[in-house]
Amino acid sequence: ENVLTQSPGTLSLSPGERATLSCRASQSVSSNYLAWYQQKPGQAPRLLIYGASSRATGIPDRFSGSGSGTDFTLTITRLEPEDFAVYYCQQYGSSPPFGQGTRLEIK
Amino acid sequence: EVQLVESGGGLVQPGGSLRLSCAASGFTFTTYAMNWVRQAPGKGLEWVSGIGASGGSTYYADSVKGRFTISRDNSKNTVYLQMNSLRAEDTAVYYCAKDPGFQPLLYSAYWGQGTLVTVSS
Repeated sequence: ENVLTQSPGTLSLSPGERATLSCRASQSVSSNYLAWYQQKPGQAPRLLIYGASSRATGIPDRFSGSGSGTDFTLTITRLEPEDFAVYYCQQYGSSPPFGQGTRLEIK
Repeated sequence: EVQLVESGGGLVQPGGSLRLSCAASGFTFTTYAMNWVRQAPGKGLEWVSGIGASGGSTYYADSVKGRFTISRDNSKNTVYLQMNSLRAEDTAVYYCAKDPGFQPLLYSAYWGQGTLVTVSS
């Protein structure tokens, strides 16, 4: 199984700042089959990024994904108040494990 | 508009059974794979099971293999999760999620609101 490790566990930033979230896989992710989700309390996850760097429909361009192989990054430029949430990466294409999540909190 | 509505959750004793349903609308159900993903209280996301569009291929997480069965009724636009031999660690919100293609195990752009399963005596 390809284990995904997200870092940091918690990220404290202020609105307007830039957030950089990391997702590292224990094995290479084939075909860049890597997705990112945002989840707010009491809500279902929301797809942000698929294919490592493709934004899902309706996702603002301040969200971007990058990386390949075993190292992937979700970047949020100019944080908005509604961006503070938990973010998960997911490797798909086989038994799709999720990372443990990064909590993005207001500083 | 894609809609996924889960039902069937509730309180069940350890060792008991429960069947979850997910009613889909707003898309051609017969051409998309579906998945179940769960989230224990205060914990992260865990993929549970997936089924191909025709129902001919099914996949399970090791943690539920042999106890859970996923199925679908394409005439009713509904996917099911039959859960047997339930354990306390199965307590979670169970989400139904739609894949973008014919085969499962991809990403999910559409999710239901979730249904809570509590396994406790």
